[in-house]
Order: sequence, then C-alpha cells, then structure tokens
Amino acid sequence: AQSVSQHNHHVILSEAASLELGCNYSYGGTVNLFWYVQYPGQHLQLLLKYFSGDPLVKGIKGFEAEFIKSKFSFNLRKPSVQWSDTAEYFCAVSYSSASKIIFGSGTRLSIRP
Amino acid sequence: DTEVTQTPKHLVMGMTNKKSLKCEQHMGHRAMYWYKQKAKKPPELMFVYSYEKLSINESVPSRFSPECPNSSLLNLHLHALQPEDSALYLCASQGRTVHTEAFFGQGTRLTVV
Repeated sequence: AQSVSQHNHHVILSEAASLELGCNYSYGGTVNLFWYVQYPGQHLQLLLKYFSGDPLVKGIKGFEAEFIKSKFSFNLRKPSVQWSDTAEYFCAVSYSSASKIIFGSGTRLSIRP
Repeated sequence: DTEVTQTPKHLVMGMTNKKSLKCEQHMGHRAMYWYKQKAKKPPELMFVYSYEKLSINESVPSRFSPECPNSSLLNLHLHALQPEDSALYLCASQGRTVHTEAFFGQGTRLTVV
C-alpha cells in the first residue's frame, strides 16, 4: 500500500539552527512529492514539490528538499530557521493527477526565539 | 487566481441536522478532493472527483454524501453525523496534468453536537 512516513513527530530548535525533517515513501513507481506547511490556524500551503529532473528542489521561504530515489526519501531542509517557521509540516506523495495524495503524519516544528 | 474557497468557515450542527459544505475553484482544475483533518493529525482522504465523476471513495460512511454539480463546484452533504465527525474538512483541487500540486482551501471547522 502507498504510504508516507515522517519519523520526527515534534522538533524543537532555536532560531538560526539548521533544520532537516525526514520523509520516506513506499515504492509505487513514478512519484510526485510535496512538502506542505500548516501555520497555526491557517490552511495548507505548498512549500515545494518534486516531479522530475534535478533532485534538489528549492521552495519558498528558504526551504529545499532532496529526492533520493535509492532511499525513497524526500527530506526537507533549511539552513537557518526563524521563529516564524513554527508550524506543522507534512510530506505528501501522489502517483498521478486525480489519484490519492497521501500525507505523512506530520512534524510539528517549534522554534525557540 | 489560485484560490480554493470553502464555505462556511465554521459550522455547528446537531446530530439530526442536514447541512452542506461548499467548495469552489476557478483554476480550471478537473480533479477535486475532500479531506478530513482531526486536530494534530494529517489530512485523510475522503473522496476524489475527476472530471466531475466520483473516482475514489475511501470507504466513507454514507452520512457523508459528495456532489460535483460542475467543474468549479464541489459539495459535501452531511446528514445524521456523530460527534466524532467533528473535524476540519478540507477541499482541494488539482490540475489535469500529471505534474501538478493540489491547492487547498482554508477548510470548514465542523462541530457536531
């Protein structure tokens, strides 16, 4: 069955620390990979996406992610976090349009000012 | 316009009530989704519509009834809900090509009393 795993449930960092959130997906052929962010009380917003090509993708707000096919991973990174990055982060995968978009369990990121 | 608009934003209903949630997008997207999100949990897929036809029903109880009147609108009709159905209901739409992300609405916060 298609699935997405996020192993970090809650990450607490100080401002300016570097961030890496893990995401692994189950094999299912060609995949579309996403990271969404949900700020407190707000809707899901797309941070970045990978469909094909360069496995290192850059998104909004200084985030980037690397697709490593051999590890079925799509980890999210940011070199220096800010207090405003406090949010819930969801990794998601789909295998085509109008198919299931499956979300990981989410990682809550708390940033100490 | 990259908006998915959901109404109402908040809804309180009794267990014997009938109500409807509405979702609208004008991006020409032909795939539309309903998700349910409980507090501190990831969105869970309920239904997928592709070209106005129901393509995926994730074994959702019949007290939830989706409807897609046209390519821009998606409704979720609610009847005889239970308190455990209280959640944030998210609508999303996605373009027709394979490589495209889903855009999410702000959700309807539903409370069943």
